[in-house]
Amino acid sequence: DAKTTQPPSMDCAEGRAANLPCNHSTISGNEYVYWYRQIHSQGPQYIIHGLKNNETNEMASLIITEDRKSSTLILPHATLRDTAVYYCIVRVGGATNKLIFGTGTLLAVQP
Amino acid sequence: GAVVSQHPSWVICKSGTSVKIECRSLDFQATTMFWYRQFPKQSLMLMATSNEGSKATYEQGVEKDKFLINHASLTLSTLTVTSAHPEDSSFYICSARDRVDFFGPGTRLTVL
Repeated sequence: DAKTTQPPSMDCAEGRAANLPCNHSTISGNEYVYWYRQIHSQGPQYIIHGLKNNETNEMASLIITEDRKSSTLILPHATLRDTAVYYCIVRVGGATNKLIFGTGTLLAVQP
Repeated sequence: GAVVSQHPSWVICKSGTSVKIECRSLDFQATTMFWYRQFPKQSLMLMATSNEGSKATYEQGVEKDKFLINHASLTLSTLTVTSAHPEDSSFYICSARDRVDFFGPGTRLTVL
């Protein structure tokens, strides 16, 4: 599976949009981009995933560049409860392919 | 989203004893479940892939005789840490695959 690169930490003001970048320059055509987050001492929470089109759900939006070499997770109105480590992972679809976690981005939402 | 539970949420045991952790998918059936562990200030490390009705596949460096995994039904996988030692103290997290992977809340194991 392709490797991802994320900034180690970011700050965001409460109520503002949080834009979390992820580079995956070696992504292959059948690899999806997944985003999870982990709040301290909890299990990871699924946020969103996509292949090549932009995606939106009730939690966030995922913007994937046309060449698919990078993506951005957008939390439209960050709250203090969004403070967490955000993981961007690329994985081939399929029943047994694994999710391999990198170091992620620690997003700190400031009041 | 789908719900995955783990039991117990925390456990303290003496060195040399065995501890069993359960992972259940509550509202879906999961052919494949995964076990991770996480040390303080580190990311999740995949330990093994658990497939219902077959032997688990362990990641390199994970001792299969120490970390016994059983996936006897489509909603339950168990991880048994045998002869636990203080270095096995960690946060153990499972996930179950539906269309995406849903994670349990984790089990904190402390071995004295």
